[in-house]
Amino acid sequence: KNEVEQSPQNLTAQEGEFITINCSYSVGISALHWLQQHPGGGIVSLFMLSSGKKKHGRLIATINIQEKHSSLHITASHPRDSAVYICAAYTGTASKLTFGTGTRLQVTL
Amino acid sequence: DTGVSQNPRHKITKRGQNVTFRCDPISEHNRLYWYRQTLGQGPEFLTYFQNEAQLEKSRLLSDRFSAERPKGSFSTLEIQRTEQGDSAMYLCASSLVGLAGAGSYNEQFFGPGTRLTVL
Repeated sequence: KNEVEQSPQNLTAQEGEFITINCSYSVGISALHWLQQHPGGGIVSLFMLSSGKKKHGRLIATINIQEKHSSLHITASHPRDSAVYICAAYTGTASKLTFGTGTRLQVTL
Repeated sequence: DTGVSQNPRHKITKRGQNVTFRCDPISEHNRLYWYRQTLGQGPEFLTYFQNEAQLEKSRLLSDRFSAERPKGSFSTLEIQRTEQGDSAMYLCASSLVGLAGAGSYNEQFFGPGTRLTVL
């Protein structure tokens, strides 16, 4: 069992739909990072959070430390949101990241 | 551009050749991380530096791999005698760790990656 697990692995949505991607972790963490990766590989930081909820535009991230669970929501999805979304946990004194395997999102017109 | 940069962006090599990648972190960042990502998987930790000191290496980092950060600024990752299994995206990230040091989670910023293909 991976220390950081995401679901679903693949997600197809129509433009305008509300999207939820889930992340569960089994290790102690100091913070959780949501990242976006487009074809070609570049990784962009979306959110880093250690408690509660953060919002940026149409993106919302929540974390429940007690339940070791985080969610990323996209409201009013758009084809340009199509990408791989990865959650990663900051663990240990090195603050190195342990990554989930990613959720591949495809938003169609 | 003040982000993390990596060179080259793509590298194709034949099995058995040596390759070297470079990462230039955000200038004031004192921590630098290397990760490897194979197709369809999330990245995996390889090693990290605090300033010029290499503080941790993953079991994934075999003897054929060596990383340096000689002046605490840019870093290089060298793979000797490449194998087809080394084909992956190699990602570099940097962060700024404050005086609190251990246990602090300082946001990592990623470079664009170097995609290695070993034929």
